[in-house]
Amino acid sequence: NAGVTQTPKFQVLKTGQSMTLQCAQDMNHEYMSWYRQDPGMGLRLIHYSVGAGITDQGEVPNGYNVSRSTTEDFPLRLLSAAPSQTSVYFCASRQNGQGGNTIYFGEGSWLTVV
Amino acid sequence: SQQGEEDPQALSIQEGENATMNCSYKTSINNLQWYRQNSGRGLVHLILIRSNEREKHSGRLRVTLDTSKKSSSLLITASRAADTASYFCATGYSSASKIIFGSGTRLSIRP
Repeated sequence: NAGVTQTPKFQVLKTGQSMTLQCAQDMNHEYMSWYRQDPGMGLRLIHYSVGAGITDQGEVPNGYNVSRSTTEDFPLRLLSAAPSQTSVYFCASRQNGQGGNTIYFGEGSWLTVV
Repeated sequence: SQQGEEDPQALSIQEGENATMNCSYKTSINNLQWYRQNSGRGLVHLILIRSNEREKHSGRLRVTLDTSKKSSSLLITASRAADTASYFCATGYSSASKIIFGSGTRLSIRP
């Protein structure tokens, strides 16, 4: 199993550009989520999904879109990049339930918006 | 916010000493998990404690949970240089599937 795979690992965008961060998992996990991590802020939940066709907002959803057309993939789209979106992004997955299952993380995507 | 908050934000100890970090949360939870993050890497699961448990051990790790105080502690005994990392608590709520993380404790082990 590859686990959770994120691409790209590094990306530089100009303000106003759009892009998609890809995330795929091969563990047949129903739950997938995106977090962003800023210095000293810990991880903040952007969007999450409890299964194919179902998505919901997290703590900081503005400026981001997600879709979940398959169990394996959960892409994160930045519609019009802003410098405030410079951050490290982590995709994560786990089996569904009331939060009692281990979360598996990707290795992160470093995004810089200039 | 339902976010857990770790305390202290940073901790520096001598190798061989014990390290204790705390996590407080705001609403009733189903379980609480602790994760470690090495610099530049993703988070790795350490231990989970359920709301009906008070203490749990895993190797050099000991986790306690006090639901009346809405707090948890992570104790790392006999610290090693390799324990240098950031540690996060994550809370799972009964009424939702999403997992919320705290801001973390940065642990440095001095040789």
